[in-house]
Amino acid sequence: GQNIDQPTEMTATEGAIVQINCTYQTSGFNGLFWYQQHAGEAPTFLSYNVLDGLEEKGRFSSFLSRSKGYSYLLLKELQMKDSASYLCAVYNNNDMRFGAGTRLTVKP
Amino acid sequence: KAGVTQTPRYLIKTRGQQVTLSCSPISGHRSVSWYQQTPGQGLQFLFEYFSETQRNKGNFPGRFSGRQFSNSRSEMNVSTLELGDSALYLCASSEVSRLAGGDEQYFGPGTRLTVT
Repeated sequence: GQNIDQPTEMTATEGAIVQINCTYQTSGFNGLFWYQQHAGEAPTFLSYNVLDGLEEKGRFSSFLSRSKGYSYLLLKELQMKDSASYLCAVYNNNDMRFGAGTRLTVKP
Repeated sequence: KAGVTQTPRYLIKTRGQQVTLSCSPISGHRSVSWYQQTPGQGLQFLFEYFSETQRNKGNFPGRFSGRQFSNSRSEMNVSTLELGDSALYLCASSEVSRLAGGDEQYFGPGTRLTVT
């Protein structure tokens, strides 16, 4: 089967750093996406990793290890507006599978 | 630039009927992808169209189909509606074939379909 696992919920404090993990087991792999989705809104694209390593984009960074089937999204200097669901998705053989999402709550 | 638009925003249909949803991508974008989002199944990929051709397809029955026009606008059709088809249907556009290149994509607000 194909599994994409991420924690259901996380809580962090404003100004802190949080890491959201995603592990996957798929029959193939072409790339991994991260999306942010605020309640009641459409998802927004955050990152796409194809090669191993860390990609940084402002306060957000995404890491990929293909050999371990593992990725994480790192959010720095957390702001209240970062409270949202974060979805990882694996692109695999012309298909795309999403994790259930991690609901992040940022507290003052 | 105008964003991705989807019509209608809300729709109520009866089991057995069929429905057509429309998506207009950002000007200049040639790729349109469709997704279904439900509380139980989460976000699921339906298919992607690029230059009027279906490039990728998720694991959905043949009742779900789509097409893309020469102006890149796309439509999605669901025939013989079932209660389980009630969902938020999202489309997203990007300049290139998204799943091939991972180009940044932009989502529309979605169409909320309720099947009774």
